[in-house]
Amino acid sequence: AQRVTQPEKLLSVFKGAPVELKCNYSYSGSPELFWYVQYSRQRLQLLLRHISRESIKGFTADLNKGETSFHLKKPFAQEEDSAMYYCALTGETSGSRLTFGEGTQLTVNP
Amino acid sequence: DAGITQSPRYKITETGRQVTLMCHQTWSHSYMFWYRQDLGHGLRLIYYSAAADITDKGEVPDGYVVSRSKTENFPLTLESATRSQTSVYFCASSVSGNTIYFGEGSWLTVV
Repeated sequence: AQRVTQPEKLLSVFKGAPVELKCNYSYSGSPELFWYVQYSRQRLQLLLRHISRESIKGFTADLNKGETSFHLKKPFAQEEDSAMYYCALTGETSGSRLTFGEGTQLTVNP
Repeated sequence: DAGITQSPRYKITETGRQVTLMCHQTWSHSYMFWYRQDLGHGLRLIYYSAAADITDKGEVPDGYVVSRSKTENFPLTLESATRSQTSVYFCASSVSGNTIYFGEGSWLTVV
């Protein structure tokens, strides 16, 4: 069974500090990993996906198959980064369905 | 982003009543999904549809019914609402194995 784990439900950092949101997964095939962001009472938006290998809003994430991780990182957090972040997974056996982690609420303090 | 819309956005209903949440997308995406969002559980898949007239259960389908007579619409019905179905419901769509786009959510309270 596929599973996504985000060990931190809450994460608080100061503006300008580095931030890392952890995501671990279990999947028996070749997964596709995503990070979605949800600003207060808004819809979920795709932040980035591992196959794109791009940086969005200063965030990056590297898929580590050995550690089955897909941690989200940003070197200098901004107040506008405060949001709920979800790691998600799909794969060839998922039929386009996403499996989400429980989410991490990031708060960036001034 | 305006291509997928949900209604109503906010609903209060009583236990035992039937409630239907509507979802409409203008992209002609083949896949559509219903998720519920609960604190401590993240998002859990209720039902999904790969195409018109094709639907399948997700992780938490009990108490819900869906239909997909047209590609663009994917209504979710709670046949007899219970308090445990108080949640935020998100509809989503995708082409196929690519980015999933979400609606703005429907906040449902069952009293």
